[in-house]
Amino acid sequence: AQKITQTQPGMFVQEKEAVTLDCTYDTSDPSYGLFWYKQPSSGEMIFLIYQGSYDQQNATEGRYSLNFQKARKSANLVISASQLGDSAMYFCAMREIQGRRALTFGSGTRLQVQP
Amino acid sequence: DTAVSQTPKYLVTQMGNDKSIKCEQNLGHDTMYWYKQDSKKFLKIMFSYNNKELIINETVPNRFSPKSPDKAHLNLHINSLELGDSAVYFCASSPEGAGGTDTQYFGPGTRLTVL
Repeated sequence: AQKITQTQPGMFVQEKEAVTLDCTYDTSDPSYGLFWYKQPSSGEMIFLIYQGSYDQQNATEGRYSLNFQKARKSANLVISASQLGDSAMYFCAMREIQGRRALTFGSGTRLQVQP
Repeated sequence: DTAVSQTPKYLVTQMGNDKSIKCEQNLGHDTMYWYKQDSKKFLKIMFSYNNKELIINETVPNRFSPKSPDKAHLNLHINSLELGDSAVYFCASSPEGAGGTDTQYFGPGTRLTVL
């Protein structure tokens, strides 16, 4: 069974600094996708970035990048130049290609950006 | 031009009542999902439909019944509501590609409070 672990319940970062949110995963499926979602205090789930298990390069989307280390089964989210609006819950999720298509989520990390 | 919409956004009701949550997507996606987010923010899949066919049915009490009248709509009906049903319910949709790269897009959520 697939599992996602986020070991940081809460993180603080100074505005304009970079921050890394940790995510490790476990799956027996050789093909899978990894996702990060942001949930601000308003409650909606916002897709941030995707990494496929066979992608050779780390994914990037603007200030977001995914540090994918397949051998270590980690998919850390890096946010560069943090902004106050980045304060939110961040969820790592995985979807197996061969198995069921639903997302399995981690427990989330609450990020607070300080001025 | 909302992609995934849910109604209502808030639902407050008494124990024992029956209620429905509606979800619609205008993205042309083939697959729709219901997720439950509990009070600790943990997200878990409940159901998934592909082209009106049920493909995932997690261990959910049979008081919960999804219905998909067409591939753009997935409703959730809950009978005999209990206190433990209080949560945020998210609808999501994704295209059905060959790989696991299909990003799931979430609706705004429905906060259900059972008194």
